[in-house]
Amino acid sequence: KQEVTQIPAALSVPEGENLVLNCSFTDSAIYNLQWFRQDPGKGLTSLLLIQSSQREQTSGRLNASLDKSSGRSTLYIAASQPGDSATYLCAVKFDYKLSFGAGTTVTVRA
Amino acid sequence: DADVTQTPRNRITKTGKRIMLECSQTKGHDRMYWYRQDPGLGLRLIYYSFDVKDINKGEISDGYSVSRQAQAKFSLSLESAIPNQTALYFCATRGTGTSGNNEQFFGPGTRLTVL
Repeated sequence: KQEVTQIPAALSVPEGENLVLNCSFTDSAIYNLQWFRQDPGKGLTSLLLIQSSQREQTSGRLNASLDKSSGRSTLYIAASQPGDSATYLCAVKFDYKLSFGAGTTVTVRA
Repeated sequence: DADVTQTPRNRITKTGKRIMLECSQTKGHDRMYWYRQDPGLGLRLIYYSFDVKDINKGEISDGYSVSRQAQAKFSLSLESAIPNQTALYFCATRGTGTSGNNEQFFGPGTRLTVL
């Protein structure tokens, strides 16, 4: 069974600081890994998807890396803004299903 | 218009009642999913469907059933609701084929409270 862990569960940073969010998974036989953003009471918005053959993906201020052999992914958000405050979830596609971490709740202080 | 819609958005019901949550999508995707989200546990898969005739149980299907009425519609039913089914429920879709279609797209969620 795939286990996905996100540490820390919550993070508070001042505006302008770079954010580093971690995701680890127990079985490296994944098809891809996806990072989502969830705002309170809202659905999930896909941020980045990394295929198992890729090492990283970038979109604007966001960069996600994948080290499949060690079972780790990191989401970097450069120059954080208050609008980045949300819960960030990672999910790995494994055995035709997505397995989710519990998320990291980020607060960016103005 | 949203690509994945869910109705109702909020529902309060009593123990023992039958509840149906509905999901519709305009993305033309074959694959549809139902998840529940509980605080601190992340999302867990209830059921998934690869096409109208292909429905599969997820990791927590007990107490739930589904119906895939058409490619665009996937409903989740709680036959006899119980309080520990209080959660946020999400529907999702996914395309097939090229890598660009491998993302899952989520609806806005249904907040269900069972008293």
